[in-house]
Amino acid sequence: DAGITQSPRHKVTETGTPVTLRCHQTENHRYMYWYRQDPGHGLRLIHYSYGVKDTDKGEVSDGYSVSRSKTEDFLLTLESATSSQTSVYFCAISESPGGHTEAFFGQGTRLTVV
Amino acid sequence: KNQVEQSPQSLIILEGKNCTLQCNYTVSPFSNLRWYKQDTGRGPVSLTIMTFSENTKSNGRYTATLDADTKQSSLHITASQLSDSASYICVVSDEAGGSYIPTFGRGTSLIVHP
Repeated sequence: DAGITQSPRHKVTETGTPVTLRCHQTENHRYMYWYRQDPGHGLRLIHYSYGVKDTDKGEVSDGYSVSRSKTEDFLLTLESATSSQTSVYFCAISESPGGHTEAFFGQGTRLTVV
Repeated sequence: KNQVEQSPQSLIILEGKNCTLQCNYTVSPFSNLRWYKQDTGRGPVSLTIMTFSENTKSNGRYTATLDADTKQSSLHITASQLSDSASYICVVSDEAGGSYIPTFGRGTSLIVHP
């Protein structure tokens, strides 16, 4: 398995609280991504990073922010969690963009906002 | 808007039988198409990657085909095994300005019965 670790694996939080999910990689890949997966939807891109301090928005970025201060870590923050953000969150890494190289996914973080 | 449609939504087959999953897309400009396998509770794992010039690619018992003219792809599984029970996700990437903008299908849930 590619060296990619998500933490925590499960979290329950209250509406209105901030939440940070962490993605850590040991592959030294340049590109990192955060997705959410919900029933009835495909995986949807939230934010991605193409280098340290270089990030951009995906299709469902509202209510989320990211930071990448080191190559190996990509943090996803829910600034004020809402019930609509209850989901399974996946981090992914790749050597290059555009799908030309394989994207490796983490095990996922199941987040419940109550 | 880019879209990826997969069919069937779910499929049940007996162990040892073959099956074919379908993927239709309206993604432009097309970059590449990938098939992923996602076991329950885990992140997706790449099976095959195809670019515009490739019309078939195999990975063991998995064979993917691509018809870029009709914008269709299929994933054929030969001699199914119980371990093939999973969700199979079709992902099509475009290259809008060089950024990585993937579009995920909702997946086909395959159940293989003994």
